[in-house]
Amino acid sequence: EVQLVESGGGLVKPGGSLKLSCVGTGSTFIYAWMSWVRQAPGKGLEWVGRIKSIGSGGTTDYAAPVKGRFKISRDDSKNTLYLQMDSLRIEDTAVYYCTTQGGTPETTGFFNSWGPGSLVTVSS
Amino acid sequence: EIVLTQSPATLSLSPGERATLSCRASQSVTSSYLAWYQQRPGQAPRLLIYGASNRATDIPDRFSGSGSGTDFTLTISRVEPEDFAVYYCQQYGSSPRTFGQGTKVEIK
Repeated sequence: EVQLVESGGGLVKPGGSLKLSCVGTGSTFIYAWMSWVRQAPGKGLEWVGRIKSIGSGGTTDYAAPVKGRFKISRDDSKNTLYLQMDSLRIEDTAVYYCTTQGGTPETTGFFNSWGPGSLVTVSS
Repeated sequence: EIVLTQSPATLSLSPGERATLSCRASQSVTSSYLAWYQQRPGQAPRLLIYGASNRATDIPDRFSGSGSGTDFTLTISRVEPEDFAVYYCQQYGSSPRTFGQGTKVEIK
């Protein structure tokens, strides 16, 4: 099982940008489909977006609230996943979790490993 | 988008009691692609169940999942002290992946 640790969170003003990183351990990182999931303070979980493994095409998919503002990328040589967040809004304030997706490419979509999370606060 | 509604919002139980948590989908979940997670205070969520009824690695057998179509259930046969937490269901049969709002299992 891949172990994950996020970094890069912090305080940013509305309209600003921030880039989160997530480092994973283990040789299976390159095969993993990865997602970001966020949780606003005191609220439930919200899927942000996903990137497939490079072997599966490396394509991305995003939730409607972040589409066009957030970008997910990966560098398998560094076992690292990224979340570039632009045009940040107050409602983007949340803990952002990096996750791996379990199952096969045909059955994937659940999140079987989670990092501890990184807090992003958008405030003036 | 599939909306998941969990009930009850809060479940008050004593250790050793049985917990039954419900998750209802606004439309049928493809191939029972339904997962359950546990989140303890201050921690990241942990996968319990996937494919509606398959326990994840190292999950005790007191946790079980069932259901299909639009109605799913998570059962904890005998609640242990470490099981008091918030539980979320999630569907992955269609995009976007969506979560229920959570059920809090608290000590009575």
